[in-house]
Amino acid sequence: SQTIHQWPATLVQPVGSPLSLECTVEGTSNPNLYWYRQAAGRGLQLLFYSVGIGQISSEVPQNLSASRPQDRQFILSSKKLLLSDSGFYLCASGTSGTDTQYFGPGTRLTVL
Amino acid sequence: AQKITQTQPGMFVQEKEAVTLDCTYDTSDPSYGLFWYKQPSSGEMIFLIYQGSYDQQNATEGRYSLNFQKARKSANLVISASQLGDSAMYFCAMRESSFSGGGADGLTFGKGTHLIIQP
Repeated sequence: SQTIHQWPATLVQPVGSPLSLECTVEGTSNPNLYWYRQAAGRGLQLLFYSVGIGQISSEVPQNLSASRPQDRQFILSSKKLLLSDSGFYLCASGTSGTDTQYFGPGTRLTVL
Repeated sequence: AQKITQTQPGMFVQEKEAVTLDCTYDTSDPSYGLFWYKQPSSGEMIFLIYQGSYDQQNATEGRYSLNFQKARKSANLVISASQLGDSAMYFCAMRESSFSGGGADGLTFGKGTHLIIQP
């Protein structure tokens, strides 16, 4: 079974600072990878997904970006954080042809 | 229009009782999948159960079952013999095969139901 790692677990950043969140996956090859954000008390919103190295699709226009430098590594970045970027960021992994996405433990980001 | 609707923001249930969490969905895609996830206070999203649109029988996983009523576009989660550890947020989600046309099956989530099991 696959295991998804995310770090850091929590992060407090000032407005205007850069961001880098990392997600790595073990136990599977060539997964589809996803970044979701959950605002306080809300459901999850899909931000980015990737079907392969260097292939990124964005669902929500914003000041965030994603990259996939390796098959099982997915990075979420920002050059300048906004207050509205605060939230719980979850990375998920799924395999084409199956139906289930498995989630990592998440990163709780607070922008002050 | 919302694609996933969960009408119960919160529920209180006595331990050992059965629980039904409501979920209705909206799609014109003939091929889709429906999921339920549990999110305890720690924040992790735990996969519980999956139902495909072409599945003839309701999905079951241990104490979890999915009451799938396709004509009503309903996919309620049933938890039998609830336990204190079942207290958590529960999210219904849908995968549409034509999601964004991008070839990856992103999930659309409802707003969740906060379930509290009382002793």
